[in-house]
Amino acid sequence: QQQVKQSPQSLIVQKGGISIINCAYENTAFDYFPWYQQFPGKGPALLIAIRPDVSEKKEGRFTISFNKSAKQFSLHIMDSQPGDSATYFCAAHTGKLIFGQGTTLQVKP
Amino acid sequence: ETGVTQSPTHLIKTRGQQVTLRCSSQSGHNTVSWYQQALGQGPQFIFQYYREEENGRGNFPPRFSGLQFPNYSSELNVNALELDDSALYLCASSRGGATNTGELFFGEGSRLTVL
Repeated sequence: QQQVKQSPQSLIVQKGGISIINCAYENTAFDYFPWYQQFPGKGPALLIAIRPDVSEKKEGRFTISFNKSAKQFSLHIMDSQPGDSATYFCAAHTGKLIFGQGTTLQVKP
Repeated sequence: ETGVTQSPTHLIKTRGQQVTLRCSSQSGHNTVSWYQQALGQGPQFIFQYYREEENGRGNFPPRFSGLQFPNYSSELNVNALELDDSALYLCASSRGGATNTGELFFGEGSRLTVL
């Protein structure tokens, strides 16, 4: 019940394309859903986050879509760039963060 | 505003030894959390400190212990190191108590290798 399931494990997108990463959860007590970006050898950096009373949040090229009834949320990266190549983690918060397994994104020039 | 800083960045230990990792929280933050990230995995919650008290713990054995100091900096101690303890140890700071938004800001981590 504390798990957050993330897919796909890896993703290859052409420059300019849309990258989509999905996450699913079970625990309805989660109150905050952030996405983190992590480059090799670095710590995770907060990218964008949403609360369960909102269905969508957009910041620049990054959008979170949140479906409370389905207990799913996703990250959309529009106009993907080679500099977006990194590992992305979804997470869910209830006093602590529960992370998904991560998605390695490669954006090809 | 200074970010989260961790030390050391890399260290190598042998099985059975003890290690201490240090973290300075971001200014204005009074809560520190520690996470373990094995290679190719998502971070796993170890424990959290708020106002010098442990107020949450993940599924880690007692040989993982911690401290938070009055200036909100923190230490993670691991005794009797095992090979599986090899990982990136991440410290995250946040605002706790009534101002808790769930936003965590991570340091760059300490890479521990146990031989």
